This record gives sequence, structure tokens and C-alpha cells, in this order.
Amino acid sequence: DGGITQSPKYLFRKEGQNVTLSCEQNLNHDAMYWYRQDPGQGLRLIYYSQIVNDFQKGDIAEGYSVSREKKESFPLTVTSAQKNPTAFYLCASSIGTGQNEKLFFGSGTQLSVL
Amino acid sequence: SQQGEEDPQALSIQEGENATMNCSYKTSINNLQWYRQNSGRGLVHLILIRSNEREKHSGRLRVTLDTSKKSSSLLITASRAADTASYFCANGRNSNYQLIWGAGTKLIIKP
Repeated sequence: DGGITQSPKYLFRKEGQNVTLSCEQNLNHDAMYWYRQDPGQGLRLIYYSQIVNDFQKGDIAEGYSVSREKKESFPLTVTSAQKNPTAFYLCASSIGTGQNEKLFFGSGTQLSVL
Repeated sequence: SQQGEEDPQALSIQEGENATMNCSYKTSINNLQWYRQNSGRGLVHLILIRSNEREKHSGRLRVTLDTSKKSSSLLITASRAADTASYFCANGRNSNYQLIWGAGTKLIIKP
């Protein structure tokens, strides 16, 4: 099956801990994105990558880091600097980065703080 | 805020009725997209309408765009229980390709 796989589905973070969310796609898409979703709000862009070994900050990048060493993979690390990490995190991809591209989403990771 | 806005925030209708959701935005757009999200899941793309289009259809979905009013509407005809979900609009800014998302409309279809 082609698609985007996010893991784990649920993740718990202790104070001061860094955690990494996985995102893998087999759609051969160039662009990948990380969004944060809070209850009752729209999606907010954390980071995006247009091509391997390149990524750009989105609107709320502080406290997060990413890497794009392979086309298929775009992991997100939530660092201890992110003081309010509890949210639903969504990874997405698109064929390119033109404005008419539609996004394909993974099923999300719910991150909570212990 | 640069985010778009949907209304209503929540909508509950009987199965078989039509559901209409609205989306407003603030800046010039290149296109506007609608997505559906089932509870606790990722989003699924429904339809994209370009700024030079006024109406678009896909199955039971009808989307309109009024750039003079900076608004769009999504109509779902003959609703089904499976249409229960949250619906989001997202628009592409003219200055870059990043999407601006609304807060969504939660649609509940009662059997």
C-alpha cells in the first residue's frame, strides 16, 4: 500500500526529555511537512522539506528539530525546549511544492506529557 | 492571525439532509482546498478550487469560491453517517506555497 506511516500512534514525554516522531512515505514525494494540531484550532506548520538534505522552518519551529537524510523519511524531534508539547502531530507529503499541490497525510501521533 | 475561519464551528443534521460549511480568508489566494478529518486520524484531501474558478463538483460535494468576498463554501448533498467528520479549508498564499488552515467545522450526521 502506498502512503504515509507515522509512528508511534501515542507517545508520552517526561519533563526534560527529547522524543522523536517517525514519518515514512513510499509515495516518492519530494516535499514533506510536519504540522501541529491543537483542539479547536487549525493546523500550524512546524517544518517543511522540499528536497533531501534541505528543510525550512514553519510558523512554530521553536522547540522542534527535523532531518531529511532520505527522501522517504522526515523525523521530528520534540526537544525539552518545547514547553507545551501536548498536541496531535501530523506528517504530510506532496509531489512538489507548487501552490496547487494537494497534501497526503499520515494518521498522526498524539503526544502527551507525563 | 493569518488563519482562515470556518463557520459554523459545529453542525448537526439528520442523515439525508444537505450540509453547508463556509470558509473565509484574509489574503489573496492562489487556490483553496478542502480536507476531511475523521476523529483521531489524518486529513484527507477532498477538492481543490483555483482562484479563477467559481464552482467545482466532486460526487456529492460542491465547492464554490467568491474571491470578491474572500469566502468559499462546501456543500455535501444527501448526507450519510459516514460523512461525520471535521472539515477544514486551507488556502495557498500568493507569496509562497505554504497553506493557511482554518479551525474546521465539526459535522455530525444523525441516523
